[in-house]
This record gives sequence, structure tokens and C-alpha cells, in this order.
Amino acid sequence: EPEVTQTPSHQVTQMGQEVILRCVPISNHLYFYWYRQILGQKVEFLVSFYNNEISEKSEIFDDQFSVERPDGSNFTLKIRSTKLEDSAMYFCASTLAPGQGRAGANVLTFGAGSRLTVL
Amino acid sequence: AQSVAQPEDQVNVAEGNPLTVKCTYSVSGNPYLFWYVQYPNRGLQFLLKYITGDNLVKGSYGFEAEFNKSQTSFHLKKPSALVSDSALYFCAVRDYYNNAGNMLTFGGGTRLMVKP
Repeated sequence: EPEVTQTPSHQVTQMGQEVILRCVPISNHLYFYWYRQILGQKVEFLVSFYNNEISEKSEIFDDQFSVERPDGSNFTLKIRSTKLEDSAMYFCASTLAPGQGRAGANVLTFGAGSRLTVL
Repeated sequence: AQSVAQPEDQVNVAEGNPLTVKCTYSVSGNPYLFWYVQYPNRGLQFLLKYITGDNLVKGSYGFEAEFNKSQTSFHLKKPSALVSDSALYFCAVRDYYNNAGNMLTFGGGTRLMVKP
């Protein structure tokens, strides 16, 4: 079964450092997402990405965050200058574009996550 | 705006007994509803979804959920719980017609503990 792959699985960084989290979505999917889950808390939406631009972003996704799809396969989340409160599990997800009438069109497939620890 | 509430932080059930994990939602348009499960140190795995049609939806691992429009609920159920069902369960909603970003909103999660 196709998977969403995320690297690294765990990254430890010092406050103020830049971090890039990488994701390889399912190959025929068109919508890409980043979510995060602070330990013990709910899964929170960060950003959605379609057709090489951001579709929607949450209040969490401030100027310290950016996303890009540099080479047509990888989908990256960059945190420019990490803060202690950025420590969380970051999940990448992908889906076919909605409304196409296929059974799986509306299901988000999640990766296993990248755990970010900011010291 | 769309939102999801899971009123129970934890549900305890004995193996072999039926289980219910509750979820209520709020959307301005038509809801698309999902249940995901998260095992320790793993990502979110899709269990089942309601898009349209029959209100009773059957999913993976013997789970089912019932969509109730009047009560705006989508409770997850299983007739006979297994110890291996112990995990964190998330309900999620998407308002299909008012959601340009195709965003899913998750509930806070319910930890299911099944004891032998």
C-alpha cells in the first residue's frame, strides 16, 4: 500500500536554529498538508498546499514557517528560527484532490511523523 | 468554521465488551467525517469515513460509526473490544463546501484502554 514517508524521524536542535522536515507524499496525490501534535495535545492543522502554492494556513503558521515542493516529489516544512514551543510531532499528509468521485479522494494519508525537540 | 469535540479523554472497557468512543461536530455546510487511530510512536491511520449515503459506516478492524445528523454526532463503535484496540482515537471533520484548503479539523483525541 502506498505510504507517505517522512524524514527525519527525530531531530534535536538548539533554539534559534533552522530546521527542515521532509516528506515524500503518495505519488499521484495533489494536496499536501502539515499538521503538528504537541505532546499530549490535539492534532493541529498548519498548512495545506496545492498546485505549488499555499491553499490555507492556520494562525500557527507564522512567518517562521515555510513550505515548498522543490523537486516535484519532496514536500518540505522549514522552521526558520526554532523556539522551545515548536517542540512537537510534525505530520505530513497527502490526498487526491477532492470532488473527483474516487473512493479515496477525501482521505488524508499521514506519514509516521517527525519528532522535533528544541532545546 | 468547523470543529470537533471528543468529550471523553479516556474510555476504559473490558476485552470482549462493546465499546463506544464519542464524537460531535460542528460545520456550516455538509460534513465529511473521519476516524483515525494512533498507536504509540506511530502516525495517524485511517479507520473509516462518512461522506454520504448510509448512516452506519463500517471500517477497518471491525470498527463502525454511526452518523446522526440531528445530534451532529459520529460515534465510533465496536461490538467486541480487543486488547490490541488500545490506542488514541481521533475524530475529524471537513466541511466540504466551505473549505477551500481541504482542511481536516481534529478532535482532542480519546484514549481507549481495553483490559484483559
